[in-house]
Amino acid sequence: QQQVKQSPQSLIVQKGGISIINCAYENTAFDYFPWYQQFPGKGPALLIAIRPDVSEKKEGRFTISFNKSAKQFSLHIMDSQPGDSATYFCAASRRTGANSKLTFGKGITLSVRP
Amino acid sequence: DAGVIQSPRHEVTEMGQEVTLRCKPISGHDYLFWYRQTMMRGLELLIYFNNNVPIDDSGMPEDRFSAKMPNASFSTLKIQPSEPRDSAVYFCASSLWDRVYEQYFGPGTRLTVT
Repeated sequence: QQQVKQSPQSLIVQKGGISIINCAYENTAFDYFPWYQQFPGKGPALLIAIRPDVSEKKEGRFTISFNKSAKQFSLHIMDSQPGDSATYFCAASRRTGANSKLTFGKGITLSVRP
Repeated sequence: DAGVIQSPRHEVTEMGQEVTLRCKPISGHDYLFWYRQTMMRGLELLIYFNNNVPIDDSGMPEDRFSAKMPNASFSTLKIQPSEPRDSAVYFCASSLWDRVYEQYFGPGTRLTVT
């Protein structure tokens, strides 16, 4: 059973455009929702994270929007650049406590065309 | 801190051989995670430790896989005997106890079993 589902599976965007990646989760016990970015040959790295009591969080060109009632959250990349081309994973976790672990989505590959 | 350190970076071995992957987490981190990444299955959590104690090994594919964490600064993932379907990139990650959503990944070990 996949607890965190991402869409689309891949995305191609022109330079300067907006990239939007969506994620849906099932377990209402999750209380932290991070996005990870992975470049080829590297390990994933935390990009931005949000708590469910916040509807939006922005860091530079990256914004997470969170809809608790729909159990969905999304990553928006404004003014997409070729350097943003990478694989993006959404994830969900309990922040602390027993059995805290990250549940990852399958990842989507973003290609930003120059 | 040098970040999470993994060795070797690449391993090529023949089917039936024993393989040992090594990980040094970030000093002071409480959690250590082992993941496997393939194109088909994405990023899979194999096992994780809290203060050197295994918490959940339900992701370990079968008895051929074993993991240990003898102290806070070292962990191993062993595959014996190895099979071609074990070919993947294996990542180690670590985090603080109250920031499980913020995991720091190592560079990974690319394992090829022929």
